[in-house]
Amino acid sequence: EAGVAQSPRYKIIEKRQSVAFWCNPISGHATLYWYQQILGQGPKLLIQFQNNGVVDDSQLPKDRFSAERLKGVDSTLKIQPAKLEDSAVYLCASTRRQPQHFGDGTRLSIL
Amino acid sequence: DQQVKQNSPSLSVQEGRISILNCDYTNSMFDYFLWYKKYPAEGPTFLISISSIKDKNEDGRFTVFLNKSAKHLSLHIVPSQPGDSAVYFCAASATSGTYKYIFGTGTRLKVLA
Repeated sequence: EAGVAQSPRYKIIEKRQSVAFWCNPISGHATLYWYQQILGQGPKLLIQFQNNGVVDDSQLPKDRFSAERLKGVDSTLKIQPAKLEDSAVYLCASTRRQPQHFGDGTRLSIL
Repeated sequence: DQQVKQNSPSLSVQEGRISILNCDYTNSMFDYFLWYKKYPAEGPTFLISISSIKDKNEDGRFTVFLNKSAKHLSLHIVPSQPGDSAVYFCAASATSGTYKYIFGTGTRLKVLA
């Protein structure tokens, strides 16, 4: 079974620029999550999708972050405009039942 | 408010000995707990989980213990191997909700050969 695929693996941008991350979950997994992991901390949930609907986006900074999962399969997370504090690893996870399975993440550096 | 705490940022253990990683939680609604292992530049990998109806779950060298009254869980690795060197995260979830995971800050385990 193929794992959760994420791209790009690394991204370097300047503050105030925009950036997008892509995630393709494990086939058949209806639930998809985006997490932010800042250095020295555990992953923090940003948004949870069930198929193409949002279940929980209470921790998503909606003034600059957006996410979509239009066809209920792959998903895109966007940051516009980026701030220095957004430097982190962005992890995508998916599940059909517990537990969640994670991709290798995108490491974002803001200059 | 840190609902899941791992108070030991790092731990070093000799190969062949037992590694014990600890985790505390504050939210009494949590009823499902997991441990993930993370190598550098990789995503977290699921290791073992436990439901609150149990107080112990074993999988090979890995055992998780849950003490609900103390709101404490621990991961035992016996015997420890150099390949176990990684960062370990505990996570907690309330199954009555959206199955959202709350993660601790991680413990870096180093197993010395």
